Amino acid sequence: AQRVTQPEKLLSVFKGAPVELKCNYSYSGSPELFWYVQYSRQRLQLLLRHISRESIKGFTADLNKGETSFHLKKPFAQEEDSAMYYCALRADAGKSTFGDGTTLTVKP
Amino acid sequence: NAGVTQTPKFQVLKTGQSMTLQCAQDMNHNSMYWYRQDPGMGLRLIYYSASEGTTDKGEVPNGYNVSRLNKREFSLRLESAAPSQTSVYFCASSVGTTGTIYFGEGSWLTVV
Repeated sequence: AQRVTQPEKLLSVFKGAPVELKCNYSYSGSPELFWYVQYSRQRLQLLLRHISRESIKGFTADLNKGETSFHLKKPFAQEEDSAMYYCALRADAGKSTFGDGTTLTVKP
Repeated sequence: NAGVTQTPKFQVLKTGQSMTLQCAQDMNHNSMYWYRQDPGMGLRLIYYSASEGTTDKGEVPNGYNVSRLNKREFSLRLESAAPSQTSVYFCASSVGTTGTIYFGEGSWLTVV
């Protein structure tokens, strides 16, 4: 069975501070991992995926197979980063498992 | 491109009523999904259709039925609505069973 855990439901940081949203997964094979973001009054959308290994809006995430983690990081948070973030795993054909989400608030 | 379009956006139902949420995608995607989003519980998969002509249960299928009408459309039906089905429902699609999932804007359903 596949499982995604986001231990923090709420995370609050000040503008300019580093931010890390944690994601741990359990899956016996090789997973595809994603971060999705939902800004206020917008649809859920892809932020980044581990395969592409790129930085989007200053965010990066590294897949650590040893620790089964895929934490999302940004060195300097901006107010517009305030949103709900979901970590997701795609493994078993046709199914994606999402974490419970972390609401990030960036204070001015 | 409209992407994934779902209707209605808002609906209030009485307990026991039935309704169908409609979803269509114009990206020629093979796979489609229905999720529900509840506070503190993230997104949970209700049903999915890996390809046209197939449907499978997800994590929380009880009380729902789906129809993959054609490649573009995937509807979700509540036969006898219950207050526990009050939620935000998201339709989504993807090219295949791997890769990025694209979401609709959500449908807010309240069952009283």
